[in-house]
Amino acid sequence: DAKTTQPPSMDCAEGRAANLPCNHSTISGNEYVYWYRQIHSQGPQYIIHGLKNNETNEMASLIITEDRKSSTLILPHATLRDTAVYYCIVRVEGNTPLVFGKGTRLSVIA
Amino acid sequence: SAVISQKPSRDICQRGTSLTIQCQVDSQVTMMFWYRQQPGQSLTLIATANQGSEATYESGFVIDKFPISRPNLTFSTLTVSNMSPEDSSIYLCSTTTVYGYTFGSGTRLTVV
Repeated sequence: DAKTTQPPSMDCAEGRAANLPCNHSTISGNEYVYWYRQIHSQGPQYIIHGLKNNETNEMASLIITEDRKSSTLILPHATLRDTAVYYCIVRVEGNTPLVFGKGTRLSVIA
Repeated sequence: SAVISQKPSRDICQRGTSLTIQCQVDSQVTMMFWYRQQPGQSLTLIATANQGSEATYESGFVIDKFPISRPNLTFSTLTVSNMSPEDSSIYLCSTTTVYGYTFGSGTRLTVV
């Protein structure tokens, strides 16, 4: 079973920051927070991951609370092409398969 | 990261028939994963396939319905057997390398 809770849907105006929350209150000390997205039934695409420090890459920023029970994915300047389902996944590192929850459907609106 | 070529990209099949989906990876990988995504739903793991051993199936999925082959470290197939309209879904393969997880582009199956 997925260990995360995400809102089912969100809207964001084009050009504004999209902040996608994720609750993972039962996360273990060795579990990472991963974010993937799926654009219109294509294969999921990796966005970012982190353990306890905030992370940033060319796609997004990941903010993890100090108690690690929740996190926020930030797309700093959302575009129409960011419209997708975003999945927050907690897991230990290794070759185990990804387990997907229901995700958040983000709609970027012009 | 690894690149996966998955085919067919889509198919329409008659009930009672079988379809084999192929995934070719551009590098050798230890593990491959097969997922099903029913309309409007999230991805559900069907099984994990290691080369040289039987696939490991998740609860609710059985080998007779979804036989998997893994003949070498770059290739795997999933067969959807004796199909019914309830099997209409997108099927995706995936693998993991040191660079992360990669997914095939998916097979959209419609059973009529």
